[in-house]
Amino acid sequence: GENVEQHPSTLSVQEGDSAVIKCTYSDSASNYFPWYKQELGKRPQLIIDIRSNVGEKKDQRIAVTLNKTAKHFSLHITETQPEDSAVYFCAASKGAQAGTALIFGKGTTLSVSS
Amino acid sequence: DGGITQSPKYLFRKEGQNVTLSCEQNLNHDAMYWYRQDPGQGLRLIYYSQIVNDFQKGDIAEGYSVSREKKESFPLTVTSAQKNPTAFYLCASNGGGSGSFGETQYFGPGTRLLVL
Repeated sequence: GENVEQHPSTLSVQEGDSAVIKCTYSDSASNYFPWYKQELGKRPQLIIDIRSNVGEKKDQRIAVTLNKTAKHFSLHITETQPEDSAVYFCAASKGAQAGTALIFGKGTTLSVSS
Repeated sequence: DGGITQSPKYLFRKEGQNVTLSCEQNLNHDAMYWYRQDPGQGLRLIYYSQIVNDFQKGDIAEGYSVSREKKESFPLTVTSAQKNPTAFYLCASNGGGSGSFGETQYFGPGTRLLVL
């Protein structure tokens, strides 16, 4: 079945460093790729998303890149801050229809130390 | 996110008991989803519904049931057939033009289910 692999599972950085989380997906029909941030005990919050007709998208310190040929997408966080510490999930749409379900990676626990 | 509510926040289930988790949204979204979250497992899809009176099984539907009688509501029942129900359950919705894309899913605050 469809699958999303996410690496690394844990990531520790110093404040001000950059952090990169990588995901690969298996469904060639996937065309929507969101990233969520989840703090302990809270709901996942969308931080950035990208569609397959775009190769890169940036929002302040956060950027996402997509290589549809390689079925690979990545989250880049620059100038990390302690409040960036959380679990980050990547996801890919199950197919190409709007309102379709998402397949999630298993998450990356990011720790930013000051 | 404030447009999606889940209740209760904590739920305790006794052996052999069915319990129902509530999910309501006032975002006029067409599609609604139920996910289960276990430590280190990410979010796994239980059931989803793209329109009223219709729903599809996700990856881990066994031991669960749903209904979608109203657009705003998508309750999840954890039946006694689900042998390991302890988890954090998240409801989400999308569609209807909210967000940057119709695909953007917004999550409720979750229900933590514990077995007595």
